[in-house]
Amino acid sequence: DTGVSQNPRHKITKRGQNVTFRCDPISEHNRLYWYRQTLGQGPEFLTYFQNEAQLEKSRLLSDRFSAERPKGSFSTLEIQRTEQGDSAMYLCASSTRQTSQETQYFGPGTRLLVL
Amino acid sequence: AQSVAQPEDQVNVAEGNPLTVKCTYSVSGNPYLFWYVQYPNRGLQFLLKYITGDNLVKGSYGFEAEFNKSQTSFHLKKPSALVSDSALYFCAVRVFTEYGNKLVFGAGTILRVKS
Repeated sequence: DTGVSQNPRHKITKRGQNVTFRCDPISEHNRLYWYRQTLGQGPEFLTYFQNEAQLEKSRLLSDRFSAERPKGSFSTLEIQRTEQGDSAMYLCASSTRQTSQETQYFGPGTRLLVL
Repeated sequence: AQSVAQPEDQVNVAEGNPLTVKCTYSVSGNPYLFWYVQYPNRGLQFLLKYITGDNLVKGSYGFEAEFNKSQTSFHLKKPSALVSDSALYFCAVRVFTEYGNKLVFGAGTILRVKS
C-alpha cells in the first residue's frame, strides 16, 4: 500500500511537553497538507506545503506549532509546550500539483491526548 | 465566506433501503465539491468529487452524488444501504487561496445502517 502514512498513530503527553508527528505522503505527490480535527467537528486546515516550501498557514497555527518538509518528501509537525486544547486528531493529506481535478488523499491521522 | 453545511447530525436507515446524506454549499464562483468517509479512529477516505460536467457523479463503494446548482446542494446517495456503510461522512468544498487551495469541511453526518 503506497498511501499516506502517519506516525505515531496515538500520542499521550503531559501538558507542557513537546511532541512531533511525522507524515509520509504518497510518493510523487508534491503537495502536502496538515489538518486538525476535534471531536464532533470536521477537519480544519492548518498548513500547506508545495515541495519543501510552506506556502500557507492558518491562523489556527499558533507560534507553538511548527511544520517542516525538508527536501520536499516527508513532513513533521511539532507542537511545543502542549496545552490540553491541543488534544485532537492531526491529519495529513497529499496531492499532485494543482489542476481542477486535484484530490487530497488523507493518512490515518495521529490522535493526540494532552493530560 | 465559502462553506458547506450538513444539516443532519445523524441519519438512520435500514439495510437495503436507499440513503441520502445532505450537503449544501455557499461559494463564489464555480464550486469544487467532495465527499469523504471516516471510519472510527481512521483517516478520511475519498469517495467522490464534482468539478464540472455531469450533475450525477459516481464514486467508490456504490455511492453517488447529485450536484444541484439551483438548490446549491450536493447530496450523497446510495440506492441500497449496507451495514458496513455505517460511518461518519464529510462534505467539503475546495477554497482557493493566494498560493494554492485548501478544503473546508462540514461538521459531518453520522450514518447508521441497521440490519
